[in-house]
Amino acid sequence: EAGVAQSPRYKIIEKRQSVAFWCNPISGHATLYWYQQILGQGPKLLIQFQNNGVVDDSQLPKDRFSAERLKGVDSTLKIQPAKLEDSAVYLCASSLEPGPNYGYTFGSGTRLTVV
Amino acid sequence: DAKTTQPTSMDCAEGRAANLPCNHSTISGNEYVYWYRQIHSQGPQYIIHGLKNNETNEMASLIITEDRKSSTLILPHATLRDTAVYYCIVRVAGKAGTALIFGKGTTLSVSS
Repeated sequence: EAGVAQSPRYKIIEKRQSVAFWCNPISGHATLYWYQQILGQGPKLLIQFQNNGVVDDSQLPKDRFSAERLKGVDSTLKIQPAKLEDSAVYLCASSLEPGPNYGYTFGSGTRLTVV
Repeated sequence: DAKTTQPTSMDCAEGRAANLPCNHSTISGNEYVYWYRQIHSQGPQYIIHGLKNNETNEMASLIITEDRKSSTLILPHATLRDTAVYYCIVRVAGKAGTALIFGKGTTLSVSS
């Protein structure tokens, strides 16, 4: 099966600019996650979708970050305006269902550098 | 979700078994133990998970102690490609919104 697709692979922007990342999960996967991974740390959950609804966005900095999954398939994560501390890899993952017997499949991520 | 404690780093000789420990002394009865690994510049990869019983698949074995307070991931014949960060995670069963929460993991270095 095709994996989780993410684009772009790399992005460099200046602080205060805006940026958007795209994720296409594995076909049929109802649950989609966005994680932020700062260098040297483990991935940190930003938001979880179940189909096109938000299940958990408690760790999403809503003053500058937004995410949507309008048709319950692909998803977009946006940052506006970006700060230097947003430099990180943004990982998208999907699973068939949110339950414990379903592992996650991760994409390769988008590496964001804010200068 | 219960917290986990893992060593920061471990070394293993190629061809030998790699045994990665994880402590989860506050684990609840409905929490599963998951292992993922992350090879440099890639997203995390699922390895194995279990609740009470030991589990084995084509990648690894998971040994969970009887009291469930600790577990060990075993890579039976480590290769250079197994060099990665290994994450041990405990997760509540069944409820939507219980996403995987990653710690810092163990950096495993396999050398020839």
